[in-house]
Amino acid sequence: NAGVTQTPKFQVLKTGQSMTLQCAQDMNHEYMSWYRQDPGMGLRLIHYSVGAGITDQGEVPNGYNVSRSTTEDFPLRLLSAAPSQTSVYFCASSRSGPGSGNTIYFGEGSWLTVV
Amino acid sequence: AQTVTQSQPEMSVQEAETVTLSCTYDTSESDYYLFWYKQPPSRQMILVIRQEAYKQQNATENRFSVNFQKAAKSFSLKISDSQLGDAAMYFCAYRSGRETSGSRLTFGEGTQLTVNP
Repeated sequence: NAGVTQTPKFQVLKTGQSMTLQCAQDMNHEYMSWYRQDPGMGLRLIHYSVGAGITDQGEVPNGYNVSRSTTEDFPLRLLSAAPSQTSVYFCASSRSGPGSGNTIYFGEGSWLTVV
Repeated sequence: AQTVTQSQPEMSVQEAETVTLSCTYDTSESDYYLFWYKQPPSRQMILVIRQEAYKQQNATENRFSVNFQKAAKSFSLKISDSQLGDAAMYFCAYRSGRETSGSRLTFGEGTQLTVNP
């Protein structure tokens, strides 16, 4: 059981380049989210999905795009990378419903540097 | 919108002693969940403890316990018998009780805990 898998773990981009951070989960979870973590701050929600074909914006969506064509995958696309997007990115998933039994699973993070 | 505030950027404790990390939150909802996450230098997010707002009893997990004051909107974490392995960044987080809240959390800024031998 792999849980939530993020790739790549490390990436250096040049300003203006585009790239996709991959996130996959093998737990058949309906809910998936992307967060970014900047120094001295907690995680902030970028985009989230409540099921295949359904996505919505979180707190800091500008400069990012998502899609959810399958239950398993939730890629995050940087359209034109900027130095302000240098951060650690986390993907998370959970099954439907916020009940106490619904643990949120996090990936190990993707370190992105934009130069 | 909900907010979570951790007013202690850094805390330190002697090994084997007890330390309390503070967290306050603001919400207009009556149904919600509160969490403490531990993040070691590897950046892995590790769930420490969880509290359901509808439960009056404070959650406990081994050496970790919370003091949940719903009226005051306060949710502190107490670590007893601190160990060197407890050193990490600790985040307080909020999740709405709405059905579609899923994996959406609101995090505080974090408290960096140092454990001194």
